[in-house]
Amino acid sequence: QQKVQQSPESLSVPEGGMASLNCTSSDRNFQYFWWYRQHSGEGPKALMSIFSDGDKKEGRFTAHLNKASLHVSLHIRDSQPSDSALYFCAVSELSGSFNKLTFGAGTRLAVCP
Amino acid sequence: ETAVFQTPNYHVTQVGNEVSFNCKQTLGHDTMYWYKQDSKKLLKIMFSYNNKQLIVNETVPRRFSPQSSDKAHLNLRIKSVEPEDSAVYLCASSPHNWGALNTLYFGAGTRLSVL
Repeated sequence: QQKVQQSPESLSVPEGGMASLNCTSSDRNFQYFWWYRQHSGEGPKALMSIFSDGDKKEGRFTAHLNKASLHVSLHIRDSQPSDSALYFCAVSELSGSFNKLTFGAGTRLAVCP
Repeated sequence: ETAVFQTPNYHVTQVGNEVSFNCKQTLGHDTMYWYKQDSKKLLKIMFSYNNKQLIVNETVPRRFSPQSSDKAHLNLRIKSVEPEDSAVYLCASSPHNWGALNTLYFGAGTRLSVL
């Protein structure tokens, strides 16, 4: 079983709408969460990180973390066509003296004009 | 411009050939990585280097060998490629190899097709 589960696999929202993506870790060693975004033909790019319970807002993006359930969500307000991409949840664990980032399988977001 | 640069963008080869991919970062970071992204877009770490020293070596076939001449360069050589090696190989760098606040910066990737 993958240590990082993302849902849904794909999502379509209208331009200006709200997109909500989910991620759950199955391992309590994974305490630190990241969201990365990958546009077609490019490498993934970090969107935001969250390590504490509650909400973290950066512009149109809001992440919410519940550490007790190891669940993190990403909400994109006022979605734009340029937000169409593959979104990865990534979790960090301490492996020995250095950390290792493990990625989920991704959620493909399509924002329709 | 500071970023992570990978060459080539795309490489087609036959089974059994040797290939090499190059990666350079101009961000001044200490740590570099190779990730493999398969046809389902799954991302898996292969290697990690910190200041030219190998620190992470996941379960990767022995035909894969990373090479680092300095902390800004990390190349990947594949001896005798197999069909399952067809994938996008992503190079990344990060300021350090420790700490939860360690953002990865990725290159655009090298797409390998093995015929």
